[in-house]
Amino acid sequence: NAGVMQNPRHLVRRRGQEARLRCSPMKGHSHVYWYRQLPEEGLKFMVYLQKENIIDESGMPKERFSAEFPKEGPSILRIQQVVRGDSAAYFCASGSGRFPEAFFGQGTRLTVV
Amino acid sequence: GDSVTQMEGPVTLSEEAFLTINCTYTATGYPSLFWYVQYPGEGLQLLLKATKADDKGSNKGFEATYRKETTSFHLEKGSVQVSDSAVYFCALLMDSSYKLIFGSGTRLLVRP
Repeated sequence: NAGVMQNPRHLVRRRGQEARLRCSPMKGHSHVYWYRQLPEEGLKFMVYLQKENIIDESGMPKERFSAEFPKEGPSILRIQQVVRGDSAAYFCASGSGRFPEAFFGQGTRLTVV
Repeated sequence: GDSVTQMEGPVTLSEEAFLTINCTYTATGYPSLFWYVQYPGEGLQLLLKATKADDKGSNKGFEATYRKETTSFHLEKGSVQVSDSAVYFCALLMDSSYKLIFGSGTRLLVRP
């Protein structure tokens, strides 16, 4: 669990600003998954990426949200023009194959004020 | 669609009490089932899993049995400790999928 690194742990943004969330997968992992946890709810799948490819973004809102996983560096989840409803915990998981059940990061808690 | 339903919390117990957290699922096929634990301020940790009917997953004194006939995967522990206080999530993963489907979580508070 400690091997998947997310930063920042906490992020406060004003409405209309941009939020950038970073996820460094465990060493040797090339598959990254992002989930969102709204208050008092379970985690919901957002997007699945492999290096330089978006495999499935069916859980991402169509507007303002984007994700990337470049050849070098961490995966980035970007939220443009944040609104209060974006306040949530965003978790990243990584794996060496298609099944991410084991390795989650500590999450980034985004608060929009 | 596929879904997971957990009992609502919080569940408050005294130390050494017996724990059951109910989890039922709806799925079109035969999923793998998981319990995750989230300690305060931390991310999710895989607690245990079961991949087919009648399998029992166990870890750290926790157990859960995959019951296909009742579509359930209830989490149990014979004697809880204060350190078990956390939020517990039940989840499923359909065969050939990569999207974990989570329940809404059950908060457990264990008092000394």
